[in-house]
Amino acid sequence: QKEVEQDPGPLSVPEGAIVSLNCTYSNSAFQYFMWYRQYSRKGPELLMYTYSSGNKEDGRFTAQVDKSSKYISLFIRDSQPSDSATYLCAMRGELYNFNKFYFGSGTKLNVKP
Amino acid sequence: NAGVTQTPKFQVLKTGQSMTLQCAQDMNHNSMYWYRQDPGMGLRLIYYSASEGTTDKGEVPNGYNVSRLNKREFSLRLESAAPSQTSVYFCASSGVRGVEVSGNTIYFGEGSWLTVV
Repeated sequence: QKEVEQDPGPLSVPEGAIVSLNCTYSNSAFQYFMWYRQYSRKGPELLMYTYSSGNKEDGRFTAQVDKSSKYISLFIRDSQPSDSATYLCAMRGELYNFNKFYFGSGTKLNVKP
Repeated sequence: NAGVTQTPKFQVLKTGQSMTLQCAQDMNHNSMYWYRQDPGMGLRLIYYSASEGTTDKGEVPNGYNVSRLNKREFSLRLESAAPSQTSVYFCASSGVRGVEVSGNTIYFGEGSWLTVV
């Protein structure tokens, strides 16, 4: 079993829709949670970062972490065609294997004009 | 501030040839990483260097070697390329542990597309 599971999609939505992207994980030692956006033929870029449980908002993006359920989400409001990309979740432990990052396989999102 | 810079961006090799992928970061980060990304497989760690002078194997180290030349530079070498090494390679770095945000997240280069024929 992978430590981080993410639905690969693809997910296709109309412009303006609210998008929900999710990851589940199995290791309760994870404390740092990240979302990356990767455009085609580019490197992943850090989009959101949260520590432990809770919500974090940045413009149209909201990241949620529910450690009790081992579940993290990224919400995109008023989605735009420019949001079309692959979204990767990532996490790491505070003490457990601190030098390693654990990635989901990515969800491909297509926002149609 | 360029972040993480990788060269070359594209390369075609013949089976058995060797090559080195170069990576440099200008963020004064301690840790550096090499990943490969394949369709359906996600990002897989090849090697990492937690600090200058140390290197460790990741999930898929076979067929690769690395050198942490100094704090800024971390190179990946394919000694005898095989078609199975056709992939996109990403170098990444992470800052000092505990330093928000750079110490707890990872920053990627733009990628190197390698084809072995």
